[in-house]
Amino acid sequence: GAVVSQHPSRVICKSGTSVKIECRSLDFQATTMFWYRQFPKQSLMLMATSNEGSKATYEQGVEKDKFLINHASLTLSTLTVTSAHPEDSSFYICSGITPGQRSYEQYFGPGTRLTVT
Amino acid sequence: AQRVTQPEKLLSVFKGAPVELKCNYSYSGSPELFWYVQYSRQRLQLLLRHISRESIKGFTADLNKGETSFHLKKPFAQEEDSAMYYCALSGPSGGYNKLIFGAGTRLAVHP
Repeated sequence: GAVVSQHPSRVICKSGTSVKIECRSLDFQATTMFWYRQFPKQSLMLMATSNEGSKATYEQGVEKDKFLINHASLTLSTLTVTSAHPEDSSFYICSGITPGQRSYEQYFGPGTRLTVT
Repeated sequence: AQRVTQPEKLLSVFKGAPVELKCNYSYSGSPELFWYVQYSRQRLQLLLRHISRESIKGFTADLNKGETSFHLKKPFAQEEDSAMYYCALSGPSGGYNKLIFGAGTRLAVHP
């Protein structure tokens, strides 16, 4: 099956710094990628949807200037958490779909655990 | 408000016992409902969708629009069913282009 990878799997950064998370589709072209965050024992919350070559569409309440999403190629999307604060500590998951696929057919990545100290 | 509620954080049963993981939703319109599963150290993956009305790994789920529920059932649980289960929906207000997840229920099947 299709594989989505994320790098890094875990990252610790200091408050005020920025951190970038990569999401790659290894064996398919992901024209659309989704970014989620998940707090402990809570559901996956969609942060944004990105289409290759276009600006990401952010969900209500998600600060686009804080969570910068770039989807410059069909196999790579990046999420940059700028000026990170401890409340940004969370589990970030990306997923991707190919053209013609429905959202429920997303291929999920393994997630990235971000800890801001 | 669009919401998916899974009231149980943990469901613990013995092997061979019936299982029912509860899911209720709140949505104006006609959503599509799904169950996703995440086995230990694996990624989230689709288990089944209400439209297909199929049984996957012995699991079934029926959409009850009157009760706005989509409970996941299996008559005889197996140890390999132990995993995290998420109920999710997509709907016309989002063009069926995004998923709304519940908080998940951890199923633990004991020998």
